[in-house]
Amino acid sequence: QVKLQESGPGLVKPSGTLSLTCAVSGDSISGKYWWSWVRQPPGKGLQWIGEVYLGGTTNYNPSLKSRVTISMDKSKNQFSLRLSSVTAADTAMYYCATSTYWSLHHWGQGTLVAVSS
Amino acid sequence: EIVLTQSPGTLSLSPGERATLSCRASQSVNNNYLAWYQQKPGQAPRLLIYGASTRATGIPDRFSGSRSGTDFTLTISRVEPEDFAVYYCQQYGTSPPEFTFGGGTKVEIK
Repeated sequence: QVKLQESGPGLVKPSGTLSLTCAVSGDSISGKYWWSWVRQPPGKGLQWIGEVYLGGTTNYNPSLKSRVTISMDKSKNQFSLRLSSVTAADTAMYYCATSTYWSLHHWGQGTLVAVSS
Repeated sequence: EIVLTQSPGTLSLSPGERATLSCRASQSVNNNYLAWYQQKPGQAPRLLIYGASTRATGIPDRFSGSRSGTDFTLTISRVEPEDFAVYYCQQYGTSPPEFTFGGGTKVEIK
């Protein structure tokens, strides 16, 4: 059973870059899944950020594409999210998840990131 | 971009009642690329249904999904106390490739 664990700073300054990592256990990141990031502002709904697959192929939410980079590190069995030029609107719980069969099957517990000076 | 509209916003039920949650797509959803998730307070979402009607691993059979054109339905045959939560539908579009979510339906105790 694949398990996911997010990590990274809980506070980022406005105009800075948000950087998170998702550690994968129980399966190889070079396997069958795409690897996604999803976020949820406090008290609001879910927003998909993007995904990465073996070889570095990526798909991004068009509304965030200009600010997002998702990459994978096979040697560490993990993948990462970078979101640049952050504002208070980027304050959210950030989840990593596996993508397969056009749905998100396994989720991390999430990490809360606040954007504030 | 396909927009998913969920209704009702809140559903008030007693344990043992039947729950019917709706998710309407603004245009045709490719190949049943429609999923349902359950989210409880303080927890990550959990996949319930994918491919419009296939239950995910470990999901009880009281949960079922169906499709009629651009209308998708999640049914809980008899609501259990642990089923009170927020439910989201999600579709996968291919042009461009992206996941989009509905706004959610909260199932609360009546």
